[in-house]
Amino acid sequence: RKEVEQDPGPFNVPEGATVAFNCTYSNSASQSFFWYRQDCRKEPKLLMSVYSSGNEDGRFTAQLNRASQYISLLIRDSKLSDSATYLCVVNPRDDKIIFGKGTRLHILP
Amino acid sequence: DAGVTQSPTHLIKTRGQQVTLRCSPKSGHDTVSWYQQALGQGPQFIFQYYEEEERQRGNFPDRFSGHQFPNYSSELNVNALWLGDSALYLCASSRGAGRQETQYFGPGTRLLVL
Repeated sequence: RKEVEQDPGPFNVPEGATVAFNCTYSNSASQSFFWYRQDCRKEPKLLMSVYSSGNEDGRFTAQLNRASQYISLLIRDSKLSDSATYLCVVNPRDDKIIFGKGTRLHILP
Repeated sequence: DAGVTQSPTHLIKTRGQQVTLRCSPKSGHDTVSWYQQALGQGPQFIFQYYEEEERQRGNFPDRFSGHQFPNYSSELNVNALWLGDSALYLCASSRGAGRQETQYFGPGTRLLVL
């Protein structure tokens, strides 16, 4: 099993719809989790941290399921500007940051 | 408040050559991590520098080496370049190695090896 796995997509979603994707991780001792967003030919930018209790930031909701070892990202009322690659990041106990390969999201007008 | 800066933005080298990439961390940050991102892939961790020492290292050969200076800036050196070294090289800074701190990325250096 890979350390961090994501569905590469692309997810083609009409504007205004809700979309969700998951990221699974193999190291049960992983300590912290993040979602980053990366636009084409740009650097990754932090979208949100993922807390054990789950967290919400506007239209974005992130959740952690430790029992099943995955994190999720939900985007409500999607906008054209949400089109990007979403990278799952896992920080195991040894502090090596591990990125997934990313999930490509295309919001369609 | 300056963010993470990297130089150069683009670079073209030939096989066998050596390259040095530079990174200045965000103000207030003392830890620098380097990543390699091939086309269509997620960033791969190369190594992390804190207090001028390499603290963590990913699965990269010894051709990849680095340095951190007293002002926290860092260099990534790659010797004996291969075609497969063509990628976007990202630098990320954070506060305090060993803590679960958010990393902030620079714009990257695009390296093309011919």
